[in-house]
Amino acid sequence: EAGVTQFPSHSVIEKGQTVTLRCDPISGHDNLYWYRRVMGKEIKFLLHFVKESKQDESGMPNNRFLAERTGGTYSTLKVQPAELEDSGVYFCASSQVPSGYGYTFGSGTRLTVV
Amino acid sequence: KQEVTQIPAALSVPEGENLVLNCSFTDSAIYNLQWFRQDPGKGLTSLLLIQSSQREQTSGRLNASLDKSSGRSTLYIAASQPGDSATYLCAVNVDSWGKLQFGAGTQVVVTP
Repeated sequence: EAGVTQFPSHSVIEKGQTVTLRCDPISGHDNLYWYRRVMGKEIKFLLHFVKESKQDESGMPNNRFLAERTGGTYSTLKVQPAELEDSGVYFCASSQVPSGYGYTFGSGTRLTVV
Repeated sequence: KQEVTQIPAALSVPEGENLVLNCSFTDSAIYNLQWFRQDPGKGLTSLLLIQSSQREQTSGRLNASLDKSSGRSTLYIAASQPGDSATYLCAVNVDSWGKLQFGAGTQVVVTP
């Protein structure tokens, strides 16, 4: 079974530019989560999709962040325009049921805004 | 507001010694608690999940305990090996939709 795939693995962009991160969950996993870890802080929840619907987006920092999950398959997280404080590692995870069991994380995208 | 704390932040032990990693949380209203392992440049791997009604879970050399009333969990790793070197993260499931709240992690180095 293929795992959760994220790309790019690294991205370096200038402040004010736009970046789109992509996550391909495990096939059949209806639940898809985005988390991020900024320098020196703990991993924090951003949002949760159930199929193509946003179940919880309470962790999205502001309206510069836009997440989509077209057709309930892969998801994208766009940051526009990027700011310096957006730098960090963005993780995606998927699960078949939303209970915590079977939570599988991707390797993350390291975003650096300069 | 739920807060998750892990102590110590870093730990170095010689091979063969037992590891004890601590996690505390402020709100006992949790669904479950997970321990994850993260290797550099890799994603998080779930090690053990303890339901809120359970006291402990075991997998091989790993044992995790949960005392929900006092807001504490401990991960024990017996007879540590250099391959156990990684960052260990504690996370509580704060709602029925799988939303996790993480501690900052404990970085473990096991020296041969």
